[in-house]
Amino acid sequence: AQSVAQPEDQVNVAEGNPLTVKCTYSVSGNPYLFWYVQYPNRGLQFLLKYITGDNLVKGSYGFEAEFNKSQTSFHLKKPSALVSDSALYFCAVRDMGKANTGFQKLVFGTGTRLLVSP
Amino acid sequence: DTEVTQTPKHLVMGMTNKKSLKCEQHMGHRAMYWYKQKAKKPPELMFVYSYEKLSINESVPSRFSPECPNSSLLNLHLHALQPEDSALYLCASSHKIRQGKNTEAFFGQGTRLTVV
Repeated sequence: AQSVAQPEDQVNVAEGNPLTVKCTYSVSGNPYLFWYVQYPNRGLQFLLKYITGDNLVKGSYGFEAEFNKSQTSFHLKKPSALVSDSALYFCAVRDMGKANTGFQKLVFGTGTRLLVSP
Repeated sequence: DTEVTQTPKHLVMGMTNKKSLKCEQHMGHRAMYWYKQKAKKPPELMFVYSYEKLSINESVPSRFSPECPNSSLLNLHLHALQPEDSALYLCASSHKIRQGKNTEAFFGQGTRLTVV
């Protein structure tokens, strides 16, 4: 079964500093990995995805993620955090089970709350 | 247009009520999804529709009844819910995944459901 783990419940960073939100994955075969952000009482917004190709993936709002196959990680990064980046971040992996062929069935991590202080 | 629209945004219903959640997208996506998100938890898949046919039911109780009347609309009919069904219900849509291709799912803002 596919799964992702987000080891940190919360990450605190000062505005202007770089941020990293960690995610590790466990899949059979090639992983299809995603990052989504959720603001309070809102749905999920897509940030970026890794399917294949370059290990450094660039996404929305200045975020990027680095795919590391040897460490089975897909950490989310941003060079300079903004207070407005404060939100709940979910890492997700596509479930590649046979019954899910053709669908974007996502398995989410437990989420990491990012708090950027002024 | 990359928007998935859900109505209502908030819903309070009694355990004997019947209500419906609605979801609409105009991105030409032929796969649509219902997810349930409890407080401080990640979203969990409930149903998947493909070309207006139910393809996946993740062992969801029958008090939740999905419906896909056309390629743009997805409904979730609710009847005889329990207080523990209170959650944020998220609709999502995506293209069907073709061989060698992939695409992200787009989510609506959700319906915050409270069962009293």
